[in-house]
Amino acid sequence: DAGVIQSPRHEVTEMGQEVTLRCKPISGHDYLFWYRQTMMRGLELLIYFNNNVPIDDSGMPEDRFSAKMPNASFSTLKIQPSEPRDSAVYFCASSGLLPKNIQYFGAGTRLSVL
Amino acid sequence: QKEVEQNSGPLSVPEGAIASLNCTYSDRVSQSFFWYRQYSGKSPELIMSIYSNGDKEDGRFTAQLNKASQYVSLLIRDSQPSDSATYLCAVNSVRGADGLTFGKGTHLIIQP
Repeated sequence: DAGVIQSPRHEVTEMGQEVTLRCKPISGHDYLFWYRQTMMRGLELLIYFNNNVPIDDSGMPEDRFSAKMPNASFSTLKIQPSEPRDSAVYFCASSGLLPKNIQYFGAGTRLSVL
Repeated sequence: QKEVEQNSGPLSVPEGAIASLNCTYSDRVSQSFFWYRQYSGKSPELIMSIYSNGDKEDGRFTAQLNKASQYVSLLIRDSQPSDSATYLCAVNSVRGADGLTFGKGTHLIIQP
């Protein structure tokens, strides 16, 4: 299996621009998670999906952030408009039903907002 | 507010010795506990999972769970320089049955 695939690996953009991060989960996994990692706050859960349905988005920092999962093999995290404080590494992870909660992480997208 | 606490380190251990990493969590109803290893610039990689009180061994790694004390630990025997990394403790979140709450990690350095 190719594992969780994220793109792009690096993204540099200017404040106010729209940013779209992409994720392909491991085939057959029912859960998909988006995390953000910063030095100050560590690794934080933003949102997760079960069978393509958003279950908990309470970690999404504000309305500028949105996430979708149109099908079982693709998800996006969008920031519009982006701000310098959004600079972080964004990870996507997926897991199956059993063993529960074993989450496998993608390589991450390093976002820099100038 | 659910919290997972770890000593940030760095924790320096001589090669061949036992490295002991500790984690406490605030939510008593947490059921699943994980240790992830993260090398600099890389993504977290699962090392151990533990779900019931006691010890769980896998090669050089042993996870220990004490739910009464809300305490999880990871022991690394015969530490190698390649074990130098940040170790993240994670527990399932009350916000959703399947989301994880991570500690900020302990930076481990194995000295040759």
